[in-house]
Amino acid sequence: NAGVTQTPKFQVLKTGQSMTLQCAQDMNHEYMSWYRQDPGMGLRLIHYSVGAGITDQGEVPNGYNVSRSTTEDFPLRLLSAAPSQTSVYFCASGRSGNTIYFGEGSWLTVV
Amino acid sequence: QQQVKQSPQSLIVQKGGISIINCAYENTAFDYFPWYQQFPGKGPALLIAIRPDVSEKKEGRFTISFNKSAKQFSLHIMDSQPGDSATYFCAAAGGKDSSYKLIFGSGTRLLVRP
Repeated sequence: NAGVTQTPKFQVLKTGQSMTLQCAQDMNHEYMSWYRQDPGMGLRLIHYSVGAGITDQGEVPNGYNVSRSTTEDFPLRLLSAAPSQTSVYFCASGRSGNTIYFGEGSWLTVV
Repeated sequence: QQQVKQSPQSLIVQKGGISIINCAYENTAFDYFPWYQQFPGKGPALLIAIRPDVSEKKEGRFTISFNKSAKQFSLHIMDSQPGDSATYFCAAAGGKDSSYKLIFGSGTRLLVRP
């Protein structure tokens, strides 16, 4: 049981490049989400999904796309990276009314 | 507009002392209040959580105190240990099936000196 797995751990992008952060969970959780963590701002919800084929926006969705084709996977796409997207990204999963489990994070730097 | 305000930003406590972190919220629809612990280079992990039908919840050395009328809740760490040194986040969520749509505070960096 690996829990919530994020890849890559570290990534450096140039402004304007696109990339996908991968997230997979093996706990059969219906809920998955992406947060970004910035100094002094806690974690902010980017996008979330309550099941395969269903996604919705969180607090800070601009510049990011998601899809949920399977229960296990919830990739986060940066369409055209900007320096403001330099952050630590966390994927999380859980069941309604229960504990949310976080991955170990993906450190992204946009230069 | 920050919906969950957390203080202090940083805290230094001697080993064996009590660490207290406070949070205040604005949205009266919130009905789930967890605390997360995060070590450097790791993701946040659930420490303890409370719902507003109780005013206090204790798990080992960790206690949440909840004041619904004041819209405040706090984390108390009794007999603080160096291993408790981490960043702590309060969070809140509310409404049907929304315990996962967490709104986080800005975090408190706790250092417990030996």
